[in-house]
Amino acid sequence: AQRVTQPEKLLSVFKGAPVELKCNYSYSGSPELFWYVQYSRQRLQLLLRHISRESIKGFTADLNKGETSFHLKKPFAQEEDSAMYYCALINTDKLIFGTGTRLQVFP
Amino acid sequence: NAGVTQTPKFRILKIGQSMTLQCAQDMNHNYMYWYRQDPGMGLKLIYYSVGAGITDKGEVPNGYNVSRSTTEDFPLRLELAAPSQTSVYFCASRRGGTGNEQFFGPGTRLTVL
Repeated sequence: AQRVTQPEKLLSVFKGAPVELKCNYSYSGSPELFWYVQYSRQRLQLLLRHISRESIKGFTADLNKGETSFHLKKPFAQEEDSAMYYCALINTDKLIFGTGTRLQVFP
Repeated sequence: NAGVTQTPKFRILKIGQSMTLQCAQDMNHNYMYWYRQDPGMGLKLIYYSVGAGITDKGEVPNGYNVSRSTTEDFPLRLELAAPSQTSVYFCASRRGGTGNEQFFGPGTRLTVL
């Protein structure tokens, strides 16, 4: 079955520390993966997508097909990065979401 | 562009009542979706549509109905509200094709008492 797993419900770091939010997927075929972010009291919005190989707000994510992972990384966390992060996978016409990881960045 | 809009923002229902959550988008997207977001559970897909006149069930369709008579609108109907339907509901839309972003509405917070 197609599935996205985010093993951490909560990740707490101090400002300036590196961050890695884990995402593993199960998919038969070539996956199309995304990271979405939800800041407090705001709607979900796209952070980045694997096909663009882009860096947004200092975040990057590399698709590792061997490990079936798409971990989100940032070398130096900022307080404004505190939010809920969702990894998602396109399955046919639908986005499948993981359960999300809440990132807390302390000053 | 207004993007994806949802009404109402908040609603309290009594058990057994019915209501319709409205969703509209002005981006001419073919694909539209309804999700519910429960604490610690992520987003669960309720129903989706790939175009006007076409709808399909997601993971958790029981207790809900949808229709898609136009490209712009995708209302979600709750017929007999139950406490288990207390949740935050998000509507979303997307243009088809590889890598295209899915846009979300602001959400509707529904409480069933």
